[in-house]
Amino acid sequence: KAGVTQTPRYLIKTRGQQVTLSCSPISGHRSVSWYQQTPGQGLQFLFEYFSETQRNKGNFPGRFSGRQFSNSRSEMNVSTLELGDSALYLCASSIDRETGEAFFGQGTRLTVV
Amino acid sequence: AQSVSQHNHHVILSEAASLELGCNYSYGGTVNLFWYVQYPGQHLQLLLKYFSGDPLVKGIKGFEAEFIKSKFSFNLRKPSVQWSDTAEYFCAPCDTGGFKTIFGAGTRLFVKA
Repeated sequence: KAGVTQTPRYLIKTRGQQVTLSCSPISGHRSVSWYQQTPGQGLQFLFEYFSETQRNKGNFPGRFSGRQFSNSRSEMNVSTLELGDSALYLCASSIDRETGEAFFGQGTRLTVV
Repeated sequence: AQSVSQHNHHVILSEAASLELGCNYSYGGTVNLFWYVQYPGQHLQLLLKYFSGDPLVKGIKGFEAEFIKSKFSFNLRKPSVQWSDTAEYFCAPCDTGGFKTIFGAGTRLFVKA
């Protein structure tokens, strides 16, 4: 079956702009989590959605937001981009909310210039 | 607050050497435990998992991990590494109540042929 699909794979944006990243989970998976991966900070948890509800949120500023649609697809948005937002953004889907076993996409590489 | 510590950031081994990567987590509630691996140029994938039962779990490619509840540890082991094990390894406890998976800083393993 198809894996987790993230689009786009690469993005270059200018400081101050906003960006929207998309994630399509594995069919049947209702939980979607987002992570930011950087060389200095590693994998940082952004937020998790289950059945269109945000159930958990990491320690990121309000510029980072997300949502989940009824088909479980998820988007995350970053407004007023800063240079420090340059990172690999990973999406992970899970079939349920209990086990935590996650399947990751290839990620979206965001570069802010 | 939930946290995880991986003891080694970089490990260099020769083929056939034994591997042990340390992981300690801090969380008062029930957690499920995972090790994920990221091979060069590939996405994160599950190596092994522990939910309950036998504290010694086996994963793919000959890896195993032992959960020691009293030490809050979940160390990864492999008796004989191969060049193809060169990758970054992440320990990741998941809070089953809030479904928030925290990733360790990662250990970069380089296996010399």
